[in-house]
Amino acid sequence: RKEVEQDPGPFNVPEGATVAFNCTYSNSASQSFFWYRQDCRKEPKLLMSVYSSGNEDGRFTAQLNRASQYISLLIRDSKLSDSATYLCVVNRGSTLGRLYFGRGTQLTVWP
Amino acid sequence: SQTIHQWPATLVQPVGSPLSLECTVEGTSNPNLYWYRQAAGRGLQLLFYSVGIGQISSEVPQNLSASRPQDRQFILSSKKLLLSDSGFYLCAWETGTSVRNEQFFGPGTRLTVL
Repeated sequence: RKEVEQDPGPFNVPEGATVAFNCTYSNSASQSFFWYRQDCRKEPKLLMSVYSSGNEDGRFTAQLNRASQYISLLIRDSKLSDSATYLCVVNRGSTLGRLYFGRGTQLTVWP
Repeated sequence: SQTIHQWPATLVQPVGSPLSLECTVEGTSNPNLYWYRQAAGRGLQLLFYSVGIGQISSEVPQNLSASRPQDRQFILSSKKLLLSDSGFYLCAWETGTSVRNEQFFGPGTRLTVL
């Protein structure tokens, strides 16, 4: 089983839509959870860290369910500029700073 | 503020040639540094990480090596490139010792081995 699994998509949504991505992880000792955004042929950029039961940053809401080892990202009022690949990232628990990356979910927002 | 640089941005090399990719970080001291590779259509693979000068840990046995000659400099090398070494090489830094710290990536080097 892969350490982090994501639906690869692609998700194609119109501007203004709400879209949700899901992610599961296998290491129950993981303590840190992140969503990164990666534009085509660019480096990943941190979108959000996910804390305790979840958090919100503007149009973006991240949820964490430790019991089910499940993370989600909700994007409301999608913009054209949200088109990118979204990476679910989980740390390895006690091993400092070493992260597992999902393969990413591709999102295209169309006008 | 912290910034991370990588060079070159792109590189085309023949099979069997050597490789040297450089990563430098500004605006922070004693960062943890990481080398990742992202092959086409695949996820990020951790290659090496370093918690200090001269300290290198390898994740995957391969024909690549890494060195950290200075606190904020991380170098990825190979003596003889293989076709399978093609990919997008990313350097990342992280500060502190908390397991909650985020990693921040450089702009990457896109390597094509022919």
